[in-house]
Amino acid sequence: DQQVKQNSPSLSVQEGRISILNCDYTNSMFDYFLWYKKYPAEGPTFLISISSIKDKNEDGRFTVFLNKSAKHLSLHIVPSQPGDSAVYFCAATLPSGNTPLVFGKGTRLSVIA
Amino acid sequence: ETGVTQTPRHLVMGMTNKKSLKCEQHLGHNAMYWYKQSAKKPLELMFVYSLEERVENNSVPSRFSPECPNSSHLFLHLHTLQPEDSALYLCASSQGGANTGELFFGEGSRLTVL
Repeated sequence: DQQVKQNSPSLSVQEGRISILNCDYTNSMFDYFLWYKKYPAEGPTFLISISSIKDKNEDGRFTVFLNKSAKHLSLHIVPSQPGDSAVYFCAATLPSGNTPLVFGKGTRLSVIA
Repeated sequence: ETGVTQTPRHLVMGMTNKKSLKCEQHLGHNAMYWYKQSAKKPLELMFVYSLEERVENNSVPSRFSPECPNSSHLFLHLHTLQPEDSALYLCASSQGGANTGELFFGEGSRLTVL
């Protein structure tokens, strides 16, 4: 059973508008969440993270929101740019500090100029 | 060179071949990982090495054999693979021991098994 779910395999957004990528998780013990971005023919690169003690973390155009009661997090990109077109992976980990990241399947974002 | 480097970037092999994937990290990290990315599936953790010792083996078939000769190098030896093993194999490293800290990924080795 998938513990981290990204139910939208793809998303298209107009340049300049907001992109919202969603991620749901089933394990309430997860306490640290990350977003990775992957361009074709490249490995994933870390984008932004959030600890369960926060409900929001912002870095430039990227903001991650965490709703622990709903076991849901989202990545907001505003304004979206064509260079943001990539696959975005959500990942989560447990507090023990020695457990692997659990990844979602990814969402392919296309930002249309 | 910087970051995490994987070679070869593309590999085509028959089911009876033996080949190896190589990963090298120039970040001074002490943990290294192999992940498998198949179409429409989450990234699957295969192996974790911390300080050159294998600390995790996620029920990976024995036709995949990892080797970590030192903290900067990681290999994945491939033997008698199946067509369903065709995937993108990603190497990653992290600081602070296995499964801690941010993962830094290589560009991946795209494997096709005929």
